Amino acid sequence: DAGVIQSPRHEVTEMGQEVTLRCKPISGHNSLFWYRQTMMRGLELLIYFNNNVPIDDSGMPEDRFSAKMPNASFSTLKIQPSEPRDSAVYFCASSLAGQGQRAEAFFGQGTRLTVV
Amino acid sequence: GNSVTQMEGPVTLSEEAFLTINCTYTATGYPSLFWYVQYPGEGLQLLLKATKADDKGSNKGFEATYRKETTSFHLEKGSVQVSDSAVYFCALKLSGGFKTIFGAGTRLFVKA
Repeated sequence: DAGVIQSPRHEVTEMGQEVTLRCKPISGHNSLFWYRQTMMRGLELLIYFNNNVPIDDSGMPEDRFSAKMPNASFSTLKIQPSEPRDSAVYFCASSLAGQGQRAEAFFGQGTRLTVV
Repeated sequence: GNSVTQMEGPVTLSEEAFLTINCTYTATGYPSLFWYVQYPGEGLQLLLKATKADDKGSNKGFEATYRKETTSFHLEKGSVQVSDSAVYFCALKLSGGFKTIFGAGTRLFVKA
């Protein structure tokens, strides 16, 4: 299996622009997670989906952030408008919900976002 | 609430030294416990896990034992290598829960 695939790997954008990050989970996995990692705040869970339905979006920092999962093999995280403080590494992860609490999370390689 | 606390880094060791990274947790019920590792420029990957009390997880020379009485899951390795330099995350997952709760991470530097 190719693992969790994220694109792009790196994104540099100007403040105010819209940014879309993409994720393809491992085939057959039915839980998907978006995380943000910064030096200051560490690893933060933004939102997670189960069977394509958002379960908890309480970690989404503000209305500028939105996430969708239109089907089992694709998810997006959008920031509009972007701000310099959004600069971070964004990770997507997937797991198999049927394994319950034993299930590990598989992470993608991340998207490094820089907003200038 | 449910949380994971791990020792602050960075931890700097010489090659072949003994490693311990402390991890304690607070959780309702009986969670599963995990250690993940993040190498530079990569995502997190599972290092080892334990799903019930007194279980020992092990992988690549690393070990951790699920201690319910002390709510701990300390990571150990008898002889570290330069290639073990990474950030290590302790984590838990609750029964019936979807999400994994991560600690803040501990950065390990191993010098040759």
